[in-house]
Amino acid sequence: QQQVKQSPQSLIVQKGGISIINCAYENTAFDYFPWYQQFPGKGPALLIAIRPDVSEKKEGRFTISFNKSAKQFSLHIMDSQPGDSATYFCAARPNSGYALNFGKGTSLLVTP
Amino acid sequence: DVKVTQSSRYLVKRTGEKVFLECVQDMDHENMFWYRQDPGLGLRLIYFSYDVKMKEKGDIPEGYSVSREKKERFSLILESASTNQTSMYLCASTTEGGPNTEAFFGQGTRLTVV
Repeated sequence: QQQVKQSPQSLIVQKGGISIINCAYENTAFDYFPWYQQFPGKGPALLIAIRPDVSEKKEGRFTISFNKSAKQFSLHIMDSQPGDSATYFCAARPNSGYALNFGKGTSLLVTP
Repeated sequence: DVKVTQSSRYLVKRTGEKVFLECVQDMDHENMFWYRQDPGLGLRLIYFSYDVKMKEKGDIPEGYSVSREKKERFSLILESASTNQTSMYLCASTTEGGPNTEAFFGQGTRLTVV
């Protein structure tokens, strides 16, 4: 079963708007939470990641917010641009594990 | 730059064929992974390997096997391809580098079984 639940499945945002994608997990052994970005015809690439000892991490227009007690984390894309149109995956990995557990993905379309 | 290379971008195979998907990484990474990507299902782990000749089943190993004879190469084998294995297959690798280890992905192999 999916260990990381991601929503929404698809998202349409106007240029300049804020895109928000949410993820939730149950396994308290997870301690690494990355977001991957995938453009058509390409493999996923790491966008930004967070560990549970911080509540927020910002890199440019991309911010992860992390709520450990609620077991939720989200990606915020500020000033969304058409070039941000892609599929976004949240993921989680346990501290003793090797493999990432991925959400089902969110297809983001930023309209001009 | 880390590079993960999958040998084929597109493959068309017939039902019942034995299919080999090859993946090579050039950064001396210890861990390698095969994922399957389907619309609405995200990325699901098929198998992974943490060392040469070592392998572990992921979430959906049925119908697949893997081989890792050299550190840089990880092969996914479909013993007898079926139409429900039509999918995008993604290879990834990571180093044994601590808790923030980034996974690097290949560009994927789109396999169609007819």
